[in-house]
Amino acid sequence: DQQVKQNSPSLSVQEGRISILNCDYTNSMFDYFLWYKKYPAEGPTFLISISSIKDKNEDGRFTVFLNKSAKHLSLHIVPSQPGDSAVYFCAASAGRGQGGKLIFGQGTELSVKP
Amino acid sequence: ETGVTQSPTHLIKTRGQQVTLRCSSQSGHNTVSWYQQALGQGPQFIFQYYREEENGRGNFPPRFSGLQFPNYSSELNVNALELDDSALYLCASGAGGSYTGELFFGEGSRLTVL
Repeated sequence: DQQVKQNSPSLSVQEGRISILNCDYTNSMFDYFLWYKKYPAEGPTFLISISSIKDKNEDGRFTVFLNKSAKHLSLHIVPSQPGDSAVYFCAASAGRGQGGKLIFGQGTELSVKP
Repeated sequence: ETGVTQSPTHLIKTRGQQVTLRCSSQSGHNTVSWYQQALGQGPQFIFQYYREEENGRGNFPPRFSGLQFPNYSSELNVNALELDDSALYLCASGAGGSYTGELFFGEGSRLTVL
């Protein structure tokens, strides 16, 4: 049972344009959502997060949107840069003290072309 | 501030053998989680330790076990290795029973079971 799904395995975007990565979840108990970025031969790196009490969180070029009724979140990167090329994982957690237990999606490989 | 370090980075074992993977948490962190990442998949939660006690476990059999030490370093032990155990094993540390889920990952230990 895949509780967090990223249905697009890959995405290719031109430098300077917007990248939109999508994520769907099924468990309504999830109350915290995160995006991680992973380069080859490195561990995942935290990018941005959002609590379920919000619908938007912004940090520089990165914005995460949460639509609780649709159980959907998205990560927007504007403008996209070649250094953003990596695998992006959506993750979710449920309940206080469960922060170490993250449920990850399968990942989306973003390629930003110069 | 030191990051999360894991050892060994790569290892090869045969079916039926046992393996121990090690992790040194980021300074100041008292929560450690272990994840298994199969090729092309997102990380899957194995278990979490908080102040040397197991604090949450994913859908993994008992032959996956762990320890957290007073200095917050950690071990993952896998007995009776199976071919499907071949994966990247990631250790992640966080602070204070980490509610937010912002974890800091090591680079991983890549295990190949022949």
